[in-house]
Amino acid sequence: EAQVTQNPRYLITVTGKKLTVTCSQNMNHEYMSWYRQDPGLGLRQIYYSMNVEVTDKGDVPEGYKVSRKEKRNFPLILESPSPNQTSLYFCASSLLGRGSFEEQYFGPGTRLTVT
Amino acid sequence: GNSVTQMEGPVTLSEEAFLTINCTYTATGYPSLFWYVQYPGEGLQLLLKATKADDKGSNKGFEATYRKETTSFHLEKGSVQVSDSAVYFCALSEVEGRTGNQFYFGTGTSLTVIP
Repeated sequence: EAQVTQNPRYLITVTGKKLTVTCSQNMNHEYMSWYRQDPGLGLRQIYYSMNVEVTDKGDVPEGYKVSRKEKRNFPLILESPSPNQTSLYFCASSLLGRGSFEEQYFGPGTRLTVT
Repeated sequence: GNSVTQMEGPVTLSEEAFLTINCTYTATGYPSLFWYVQYPGEGLQLLLKATKADDKGSNKGFEATYRKETTSFHLEKGSVQVSDSAVYFCALSEVEGRTGNQFYFGTGTSLTVIP
């Protein structure tokens, strides 16, 4: 089954404790992206990757890191989480079509709480 | 720069009512346009899309027409059901220079359909 998986689905942690949220897709998509969803703000892009070893900042990259060492995986790293990073996080992937992307496929989300 | 603006919610309708959710966009070129739906506790999933002007996307009774002259992509459904209760996101993707495509999302419109 074609899908994007994220782990963990729920995480409660404390300020400053490094964490990683994993994301994996089995569709051989070039493009992968991380978003955070907050009430009243919709989806905001954190980082994206056009292909292996190619990553770039989205709209809200501060406090986050990513890596793309393999095509299927795109982990999100919070080196020193803070309470303002409490949010719902989504990973997504997409094929690069002819001059434009096809639709994105989303993971189920990771609910992160930083106390 | 690129952006998407959609009508604010929440929207509450009675079953079988007509639905319109407005979406307008700003883009420098020729974007693809999407509507995504997010059911409670789930990730976003594609509802419909249109890749060029005058295209009509349709799915599950929902429709939206890509209007370049008015830069709009309004979502419509003739008769909503309780099961349509969800959050709806308008989005666009467009090629941007060397970094390739970027996706832009509206803030989402929450729809509740009451029996």
